[in-house]
Amino acid sequence: AQRVTQPEKLLSVFKGAPVELKCNYSYSGSPELFWYVQYSRQRLQLLLRHISRESIKGFTADLNKGETSFHLKKPFAQEEDSAMYYCALRGGGADGLTFGKGTHLIIQP
Amino acid sequence: NAGVTQTPKFRVLKTGQSMTLLCAQDMNHEYMYWYRQDPGMGLRLIHYSVGEGTTAKGEVPDGYNVSRLKKQNFLLGLESAAPSQTSVYFCASRVSSYNEQFFGPGTRLTVL
Repeated sequence: AQRVTQPEKLLSVFKGAPVELKCNYSYSGSPELFWYVQYSRQRLQLLLRHISRESIKGFTADLNKGETSFHLKKPFAQEEDSAMYYCALRGGGADGLTFGKGTHLIIQP
Repeated sequence: NAGVTQTPKFRVLKTGQSMTLLCAQDMNHEYMYWYRQDPGMGLRLIHYSVGEGTTAKGEVPDGYNVSRLKKQNFLLGLESAAPSQTSVYFCASRVSSYNEQFFGPGTRLTVL
């Protein structure tokens, strides 16, 4: 069965420090992975998808098939990055998403 | 375009009551999904639809029913609500299997 693991429930870093949110997956086929962000009391928004290989809001994520990981990184955290971050894998029913449990990122001033 | 909208935004039910959550999208999307979000659990897929008149079970379908009579609407029903169904419910849609899912704002449901 496919699975997405986000080992950190909470991650707190200071403004200007680097950020890395970990995501590991288990999937038998060719994975398609996403990062979604949910700001306080807002809907989920797509942040990144691995096939587009772009940088959004300074965040990047690289798919590492050998380590089955898709970690999200940003070199210099900003206070507005505080949010819940979900890693997701396409492949649920009719290609619904399988989500990790999420990491709450707090950027301290 | 309003995108994906959900009605109601909040609701409190007593155990055993029934209700229907409405999801509407104006993007002519074929695929629609219902997820529930629980603290420490992430989002889990309840039911989904690949087109008008079709529905199927997701990961956690027990206690819920769905209908997709019109392409733009996806209804989630609770026939006899239980406290375990206290959650935030998100609807999502996308145009095809290979496109991004767009999420609604969520419905916060409390069952007492």
